[in-house]
Amino acid sequence: DGGITQSPKYLFRKEGQNVTLSCEQNLNHDAMYWYRQDPGQGLRLIYYSQIVNDFQKGDIAEGYSVSREKKESFPLTVTSAQKNPTAFYLCASSTRRESYEQYFGPGTRLTVT
Amino acid sequence: GENVEQHPSTLSVQEGDSAVIKCTYSDSASNYFPWYKQELGKRPQLIIDIRSNVGEKKDQRIAVTLNKTAKHFSLHITETQPEDSAVYFCAASKNDKIIFGKGTRLHILP
Repeated sequence: DGGITQSPKYLFRKEGQNVTLSCEQNLNHDAMYWYRQDPGQGLRLIYYSQIVNDFQKGDIAEGYSVSREKKESFPLTVTSAQKNPTAFYLCASSTRRESYEQYFGPGTRLTVT
Repeated sequence: GENVEQHPSTLSVQEGDSAVIKCTYSDSASNYFPWYKQELGKRPQLIIDIRSNVGEKKDQRIAVTLNKTAKHFSLHITETQPEDSAVYFCAASKNDKIIFGKGTRLHILP
């Protein structure tokens, strides 16, 4: 569990502001993912990256952006274009080799008012 | 794209009884089906998974079955215990992209 971290745990922003959520892993995993979790909606995929300098949109990418400049880091920016940004955001990583198991971070709860 | 349906959304079972959660998927090319457990306030954790070349897998009180023809898979928990109370998510995966179901909240009644 300690191998993937997200910061901060709670984040508050005013409407109209962009905000960046941090995700770092020291597991040497190739793939990283961002999910949004809302009550009753499960885990919805925002973006994922299989390798450095490459990433793909998930099912709900509108209003979000990502970068993957380093293997260890996969920050998510919630832009002002995201209509309902208040949610719990989970980052995950996986090896893509022996196992496809996803290791999740502790999450960031974002509140936009 | 892939769509994963999960039922029921809420399940209450008496302690000691069995619990079954069912999922269907739409993309016949999906080849990996994990199940995650999320306890209150914690991150999801893998409890069992199955690949498309296997029909059933068991790990102590937990088992997963896969019917590729019907495109559905199920989680079975036997002899349920209070610590089994949590939200369970199924998922279907192809080429690193994993799509989750909406989750099942399992309550174990004393």
